[in-house]
Amino acid sequence: KAGVTQTPRYLIKTRGQQVTLSCSPISGHRSVSWYQQTPGQGLQFLFEYFSETQRNKGNFPGRFSGRQFSNSRSEMNVSTLELGDSALYLCASTGRDGANVLTFGAGSRLTVL
Amino acid sequence: GESVGLHLPTLSVQEGDNSIINCAYSNSASDYFIWYKQESGKGPQFIIDIRSNMDKRQGQRVTVLLNKTVKHLSLQIAATQPGDSAVYFCAETLSNAGGTSYGKLTFGQGTILTVHP
Repeated sequence: KAGVTQTPRYLIKTRGQQVTLSCSPISGHRSVSWYQQTPGQGLQFLFEYFSETQRNKGNFPGRFSGRQFSNSRSEMNVSTLELGDSALYLCASTGRDGANVLTFGAGSRLTVL
Repeated sequence: GESVGLHLPTLSVQEGDNSIINCAYSNSASDYFIWYKQESGKGPQFIIDIRSNMDKRQGQRVTVLLNKTVKHLSLQIAATQPGDSAVYFCAETLSNAGGTSYGKLTFGQGTILTVHP
């Protein structure tokens, strides 16, 4: 059974640009969560989607947004990139409605120059 | 300004030793706790979980202990192997009335475990 797939794995952007990251959950999983991981702040929750609806949101500015499609695939977008947005962005999916055991992807490593 | 990185606790053990990784969680209302392992270049991987109505749970070579009085979790790894070398995170969450938390986990800072052959 395929795991959580995130694309791209690595990307480099410059300040002011925007970026879109993609996540394909495990087949049959309907909940997708996003996390940001940095050396300074550790792992922090961004948001969670279920059935194309955002159900939960962390404490990030409005530049961070996401969406979920009818096939449960999810994207997150960061607009007007700042240097501090450089991070590993992790996507996780869960098997049952809101089940807490998250299965993570390998992440998308974003570098902002 | 320049951000200061987290100074992760480290634990170095010899292969075959038992390892104990500790975690202090923050929310006394949290009722579900999980340990994750993260290897270099990979996302966190589930190890074991425990609910607040338990104080101990065992898996294969791993045991999690929960002390709600002092808000403390520990992960014990028996017969530690070089493949166990990784960063270990505890995570906590508060289930809503339906028993779910909508994907929101609060992670600890992590502990670096190094196993020497």
